[in-house]
Amino acid sequence: DAGVIQSPRHEVTEMGQEVTLRCKPISGHNSLFWYRQTMMRGLELLIYFNNNVPIDDSGMPEDRFSAKMPNASFSTLKIQPSEPRDSAVYFCASSFERAYEQYFGPGTRLTVT
Amino acid sequence: GENVEQHPSTLSVQEGDSAVIKCTYSDSASNYFPWYKQELGKGPQLIIDIRSNVGEKKDQRIAVTLNKTAKHFSLHITETQPEDSAVYFCAASFSNNNDMRFGAGTRLTVKP
Repeated sequence: DAGVIQSPRHEVTEMGQEVTLRCKPISGHNSLFWYRQTMMRGLELLIYFNNNVPIDDSGMPEDRFSAKMPNASFSTLKIQPSEPRDSAVYFCASSFERAYEQYFGPGTRLTVT
Repeated sequence: GENVEQHPSTLSVQEGDSAVIKCTYSDSASNYFPWYKQELGKGPQLIIDIRSNVGEKKDQRIAVTLNKTAKHFSLHITETQPEDSAVYFCAASFSNNNDMRFGAGTRLTVKP
């Protein structure tokens, strides 16, 4: 298996622009997680999907952030409009069973100037 | 909610020595405790995990111990090698709560 796939690996954008991050979970996994990693706050869970349905989005920082999972093999995290404080590494992870044994993708390093 | 504290923040050992990283958690309902290794520029990699019905688990040079009474768990790496150098994260979650909380990380350096 190729593991969790994320794209792009790096994204540099200007403040105010829309950013879309993409994730393909491991085939057969029914849970998908989006995390954000920064030096100041460490790894934070943003949102969790189970069977393509958003279950917990309490970690989404504000309305500028939205996530979708239209099918079992694809999810997006969108930031609109982006701000410099959104600069971070965003990880997608997937698992067979909720929080257990989550496998992370390589991440997308987002820089907002 | 769950709060996970991890110590030390940095750890330097000589190749061949053992390394121990410790974590404490606050929610007594937590029952799943994974450990992740993160190398520079990569995503966290699950290296070992333990569930609350087990006190210790071992996989080759890596072992994890759990003390539910004291609410702490530890990662033990024996016979360390330079390729063990990375940032290690502990985490804790409750099976019905998908909010897995991570520790702040430990940067391990193994000197050849």
